[in-house]
Amino acid sequence: GAGVSQSPSNKVTEKGKDVELRCDPISGHTALYWYRQSLGQGLEFLIYFQGNSAPDKSGLPSDRFSAERTGGSVSTLTIQRTQQEDSAVYLCASRHPGLAANEQFFGPGTRLTVL
Amino acid sequence: GNSVTQMEGPVTLSEEAFLTINCTYTATGYPSLFWYVQYPGEGLQLLLKATKADDKGSNKGFEATYRKETTSFHLEKGSVQVSDSAVYFCALTKSGSARQLTFGSGTQLTVLP
Repeated sequence: GAGVSQSPSNKVTEKGKDVELRCDPISGHTALYWYRQSLGQGLEFLIYFQGNSAPDKSGLPSDRFSAERTGGSVSTLTIQRTQQEDSAVYLCASRHPGLAANEQFFGPGTRLTVL
Repeated sequence: GNSVTQMEGPVTLSEEAFLTINCTYTATGYPSLFWYVQYPGEGLQLLLKATKADDKGSNKGFEATYRKETTSFHLEKGSVQVSDSAVYFCALTKSGSARQLTFGSGTQLTVLP
């Protein structure tokens, strides 16, 4: 597609359940990022992929959070045993390695609500 | 570590008013600086950027100048429109392979007709 896509757009889950969030980056963008946007914390970096490897996972808030990327394309962010404080909008962004000034293109986000 | 401090909102202006949203940063080295905008119901979009000191980024009538001496990147527009109503985020990236964005807290702008 023309832009970064994410699915689902909205997810409501019960506390303790696992959720998977998907990101499809722009074709050819080898760098992929996950961010979280919440009322209390603003926009926070979670994890960075270069190709299929994740050299920077420093923003993942706990070991309940994990992410993978396959084929240098689609990425999945998994949250296990969700808690109410996980409620937020999860944003994915991708970046072409050759673009100047490190411009990242963002998807529309997945709004996660944990009841 | 890196941080971005952004003017507290919300900001409400009348159409054709002058806009300034202040942004200051803390970073070692020479970061690249950005303004992103989030329109209601839409994703984050890059508004403008600057990669080195004294660079001026501009787009859609908005401008911001990279001031290393004051570690600032204030956003300005001479005459705002109702369609500029959105949340504005100042951000930076450091050089290096990861280049993740560090964001300010965002400023909600509402422009009234």
